[in-house]
Amino acid sequence: SYVLTQPPSVSVAPGKTARITCGGTNIGDKSLHWYQQKPGQAPVVVMYYDNDRPSGIPERFSGSTSGNTATLTISRVEAGDEADFYCQVWDDTNDHPVFGGGTKLTVL
Amino acid sequence: EVHLLESGGTLVQPGGSLRLSCAASRFPFNNFPMAWVRQAPGKGLEWVSTISASGTTTFYSDSANGRFTVSRDNSKSTLFLHLSGLRADDTALYYCAKKGLPRYDAFDLWGQGTMVTVSS
Repeated sequence: SYVLTQPPSVSVAPGKTARITCGGTNIGDKSLHWYQQKPGQAPVVVMYYDNDRPSGIPERFSGSTSGNTATLTISRVEAGDEADFYCQVWDDTNDHPVFGGGTKLTVL
Repeated sequence: EVHLLESGGTLVQPGGSLRLSCAASRFPFNNFPMAWVRQAPGKGLEWVSTISASGTTTFYSDSANGRFTVSRDNSKSTLFLHLSGLRADDTALYYCAKKGLPRYDAFDLWGQGTMVTVSS
């Protein structure tokens, strides 16, 4: 089955840029989505299809893919961005969604 | 405002059964595939099951296959998950989520979850 690999944690100072990666074989060929989950809350989509922001998500959030790695970039990080982030694709061999293990973003 | 509200989670003994419900409001429920995703305490998101808009097609994770059954009542805008043969490692917050229409779309609306605890 398809596997997505994320770093367990990323730390960044306020105002700096955070980059959260998601690795998977030929990930660029897949439809990839990113979710943000703040403590005690349900997940929320912050990026569709690699780099398509839903309404209400700040322009500071962007996505990209290169090779076998997708990256969610958060510019000018704020304290309110602190959360767990998950990438998700669909395993097209069985139509099952696959989540990465999640990355905890800490704002120092 | 569009909304999903789960219910039915509780403490259940190993081997027991339970039915979770998810009531949808303010969107055309019968048009959209739906899913259950769970999250064990302190852990990440784990997909459990997906059901097509009509309810005729279902998918299950390996851990859910054979023990859990997803269904929906489009006349009542409600999604269900019947859990049986419960084990301690099924302990989790169970979310229902709405999927977009394209085949590989995201889960664009989530409920707040209902907690299932499996323990003797």
